[in-house]
Amino acid sequence: EIVLTQSPATLSLSPGERATLSCRASQSVSNYLAWYQQKPGQAPRLLIYDASNRATGIPGRFSGSGSGTDFTLTISSLEPEDFAVYYCQQRSNWPPYTFGQGTKLEIK
Amino acid sequence: EVQLVESGGGLVQPGGSLRLSCTSSGFSFSSYSMNWVRQAPGKGLEWVSYISSGSTNIKYADSMKGRFTISRDNAKNSLYLQMNGLTDEDTAVYYCARESRGFSDCWGQGTLVTVTS
Repeated sequence: EIVLTQSPATLSLSPGERATLSCRASQSVSNYLAWYQQKPGQAPRLLIYDASNRATGIPGRFSGSGSGTDFTLTISSLEPEDFAVYYCQQRSNWPPYTFGQGTKLEIK
Repeated sequence: EVQLVESGGGLVQPGGSLRLSCTSSGFSFSSYSMNWVRQAPGKGLEWVSYISSGSTNIKYADSMKGRFTISRDNAKNSLYLQMNGLTDEDTAVYYCARESRGFSDCWGQGTLVTVTS
């Protein structure tokens, strides 16, 4: 089973700042990695698929990069609605699909 | 509008059973693979099960094998999860999700399953 490790666990930033979230896989997942955003009481929302492709309707301030074992989600300039929990997920070697443990992005 | 609506959650005693349903609208349900994903209170996301569009390919997470059964009825645009032998570790919000390119691009609002004596 591929283990995804996200860092940091919590990231405290202010609106307008740049956010950089990391996801590391225990073995190569090629580019088969996605990022989701989840707000309290809501279902997750797909942001990025195949490491760097924005899902439909996702603003351009969200971008993904990486391949193999190291991946990054970048939010170029934080908006108030971006404060949430972010998860990465791999589909390279399944079952099972696996998720990272999440990074909480909170307002500083 | 693409929509998924789960139902069937509730309180159940340890060892009990529950059947979750997910009704879809706004897209061609029969063309998509589907997943169940769960989230224990205050915890992260955990994949539960997968079913292909024609039900020919079905997968489960190891901890659910032999206890959970995924199925679908394309004529009714519906997805199901039969859960047997429930334990307190199965307490979670259960989401159905549409799969696109191996990722879940549309999620329902979730249904809460609470296993308690």
